[in-house]
Amino acid sequence: EAQVTQNPRYLITVTGKKLTVTCSQNMNHEYMSWYRQDPGLGLRQIYYSMNVEVTDKGDVPEGYKVSRKEKRNFPLILESPSPNQTSLYFCASSPVFSGVYQPQHFGDGTRLSIL
Amino acid sequence: GQQVMQIPQYQHVQEGEDFTTYCNSSTTLSNIQWYKQRPGGHPVFLIQLVKSGEVKKQKRLTFQFGEAKKNSSLHITATQTTDVGTYFCAGPQTGTSYGKLTFGQGTILTVHP
Repeated sequence: EAQVTQNPRYLITVTGKKLTVTCSQNMNHEYMSWYRQDPGLGLRQIYYSMNVEVTDKGDVPEGYKVSRKEKRNFPLILESPSPNQTSLYFCASSPVFSGVYQPQHFGDGTRLSIL
Repeated sequence: GQQVMQIPQYQHVQEGEDFTTYCNSSTTLSNIQWYKQRPGGHPVFLIQLVKSGEVKKQKRLTFQFGEAKKNSSLHITATQTTDVGTYFCAGPQTGTSYGKLTFGQGTILTVHP
């Protein structure tokens, strides 16, 4: 089954304790992206990646890191989480065809609470 | 930076009534995508519009892309309880790097049976 898998689905942690949210897709998609969703603000793009070793900032990259060492994986790293990073996070992927945007496939989300 | 505003933020309708959400960008969009997110779920792609003035229909849903490519709308005819959820528009600003997407804040639709 084609899917985007995020782990963990839920996490409660404390300020300053490094954490990683994993994202993996089995559709051989070139493009992957991370979003955070907050009430009244919609989805805001954190980072995106066009392919292996190619990453770029979205609209809200501060406090986050990403890496794309393999095509299927795109982990989101919070080196020193703070309470304002409490949010619902989504990973998404899509193929890339001749520069034409394609539908994004989203994971089920990760709800992070930073105390 | 690019702003994509979506209105209304909330819409409550009786089943059978029509519903429209509007998406307005501060700058021209290369294209626009629409997604639906059911309560507790993840966004699911509905459609993409690329051409100026484009209109597409999916059963009771009608999508429009403005002539200036700065606005779009989603209209649902005769809503059903299955239409409940949050509807998002998303688009890349013309001239930005491929892959940088901005979503609207979403419209939360509630349908009363």
